[in-house]
Amino acid sequence: AQKVTQAQTEISVVEKEDVTLDCVYETRDTTYYLFWYKQPPSGELVFLIRRNSFDEQNEISGRYSWNFQKSTSSFNFTITASQVVDSAVYFCALSEAGGNQFYFGTGTSLTVIP
Amino acid sequence: GAVVSQHPSRVICKSGTSVKIECRSLDFQATTMFWYRQFPKKSLMLMATSNEGSKATYEQGVEKDKFLINHASLTLSTLTVTSAHPEDSSFYICSAMTSRGVTYEQYFGPGTRLTVT
Repeated sequence: AQKVTQAQTEISVVEKEDVTLDCVYETRDTTYYLFWYKQPPSGELVFLIRRNSFDEQNEISGRYSWNFQKSTSSFNFTITASQVVDSAVYFCALSEAGGNQFYFGTGTSLTVIP
Repeated sequence: GAVVSQHPSRVICKSGTSVKIECRSLDFQATTMFWYRQFPKKSLMLMATSNEGSKATYEQGVEKDKFLINHASLTLSTLTVTSAHPEDSSFYICSAMTSRGVTYEQYFGPGTRLTVT
């Protein structure tokens, strides 16, 4: 079973629009970590955020915000006032405590149209 | 922040030849390194887990004789694609893990794009 599901394969928005990327995860561990990475066309993974399972506080960093809801096993990512430079593939990932492996979602390709 | 490098960043090789990709942790010792493969417009798939001084653990479906992994030191792991074929063309990403107190941190390399002609 897929541990991390990103249902949105591709999203296109017009510049300055807000956009939310969905991520749903599955784990039986009580301790785990959730991540978001940005992958621009160059291919390098850019770390955006790490959240541990005990911290459900939402986080805001500039135009980026994350909504972590354990009740729905979701860790959604919102970009406000999107910009062309936000165009990339975004991956959500899960790491379970006791294991070292990252489980990546299938990614959401975001295109911001000027 | 911690840096992981990969060399080369791009490589083109002929079918039947072997190519080696290096993954280095530049400012920390990595007890464990991971190798991922990413096909175009696809997610990252874990190929193998490499622990320093021991044999790598391969994921199901990954040919260990084709993808040779060596983790000879705490800062270097290598992936050798032997007798490469066009279907081995892909983006290979490594990551290196180090402990941070009671937790672990994992850092990703910039990736190596392999094209087999």
